[in-house]
Amino acid sequence: GENVEQHPSTLSVQEGDSAVIKCTYSDSASNYFPWYKQELGKRPQLIIDIRSNVGEKKDQRIAVTLNKTAKHFSLHITETQPEDSAVYFCAASSYGGSQGNLIFGKGTKLSVKP
Amino acid sequence: IAGITQAPTSQILAAGRRMTLRCTQDMRHNAMYWYRQDLGLGLRLIHYSNTAGTTGKGEVPDGYSVSRANTDDFPLTLASAVPSQTSVYFCASSEKGNGELFFGEGSRLTVL
Repeated sequence: GENVEQHPSTLSVQEGDSAVIKCTYSDSASNYFPWYKQELGKRPQLIIDIRSNVGEKKDQRIAVTLNKTAKHFSLHITETQPEDSAVYFCAASSYGGSQGNLIFGKGTKLSVKP
Repeated sequence: IAGITQAPTSQILAAGRRMTLRCTQDMRHNAMYWYRQDLGLGLRLIHYSNTAGTTGKGEVPDGYSVSRANTDDFPLTLASAVPSQTSVYFCASSEKGNGELFFGEGSRLTVL
């Protein structure tokens, strides 16, 4: 089955700096790679996702890149703000069609210092 | 619109007791999931259901069972709770596979 590794486990940056979180996956059949943000005491929420037919996707200050050959994908947050502080989870789905069982990485706790 | 609702939000349970965590969604999503979240281990899939009447095992299914009698409800049962099942449990749903997961607020379970 799929295995997702996420690094680093913790990340501390100064406000305004960029943050990068990296994930690798094991199943070459995986074709869907979302990122979830979980603020303290709250539920995870989708912030961006990418599918295997594209290499990069941007949404304002957030971008995700995908390298299918190397089986890794990354989350990039530019101009970080204190409200970006949260735990971020990457995930990969190894099934297509109607079955999409996401396997999550272990999470990265991002702290943005004002 | 409530979205996805879990109950109870928190529960303390003696080891050996049976417990059912309830999950209801009003979005008419086909797929539903149960994850457990433990510090340092992220979100691990327990069981899933792609459509009413079908269920499947995830990464950590042992000690848990689920049923999907209809589209809206997806209860998770611990037949005989053990302390290692102390965790935060999240129910989620998605309209289709490979789509956005919508999570409930979580159920914090402590097994003593």
